[in-house]
Amino acid sequence: AQKITQTQPGMFVQEKEAVTLDCTYDTSDPSYGLFWYKQPSSGEMIFLIYQGSYDQQNATEGRYSLNFQKARKSANLVISASQLGDSAMYFCAMTRRNSNYQLIWGAGTKLIIKP
Amino acid sequence: DTGVSQNPRHKITKRGQNVTFRCDPISEHNRLYWYRQTLGQGPEFLTYFQNEAQLEKSRLLSDRFSAERPKGSFSTLEIQRTEQGDSAMYLCASRSGEGNQPQHFGDGTRLSIL
Repeated sequence: AQKITQTQPGMFVQEKEAVTLDCTYDTSDPSYGLFWYKQPSSGEMIFLIYQGSYDQQNATEGRYSLNFQKARKSANLVISASQLGDSAMYFCAMTRRNSNYQLIWGAGTKLIIKP
Repeated sequence: DTGVSQNPRHKITKRGQNVTFRCDPISEHNRLYWYRQTLGQGPEFLTYFQNEAQLEKSRLLSDRFSAERPKGSFSTLEIQRTEQGDSAMYLCASRSGEGNQPQHFGDGTRLSIL
């Protein structure tokens, strides 16, 4: 069965520092997609970054990058130069290719940026 | 460019009442998903539509739950005879095309059962 594990329930980081949020996954499917979403306290789920299982290079989107290590089945999110507005819940998710691309989610990491 | 719209944002109702939520996806997106999220957890898949066809339903979707997407545009999720355990955030997402396009989410409907 496919599963996403996020082992950090919460993190405190000083403003302007870089932060790495951990995500490991388990799947036997050779083709899959990995996503990171941000959920502020207001509740909306905001798409951040995507990595395909066949992508050779790590995905980057502005201050967000995804450290994809396929052999270790990890897909960590790196946020550079953190800002106060980065305080939120962060979820790692994976698509189930054979199930209409529904997302399977981790439990999330609550990130708090300290001024 | 309007995003995914969900109404209402909040719903408070007494146990045993029926509730209905609406989701308007991004207009060119033919695929629509409903998820449920309880406090401190990641979302859980409920059901999936491609155009007007409901192609997949989770076992979480008991017979008290029904979802529709008439004409392949907006979707509704109805819960009949609500129970305390139905209290959650209900999230709607849409996406386009094949493959691993990202799902775009609405702001959700937060349901509280008294």
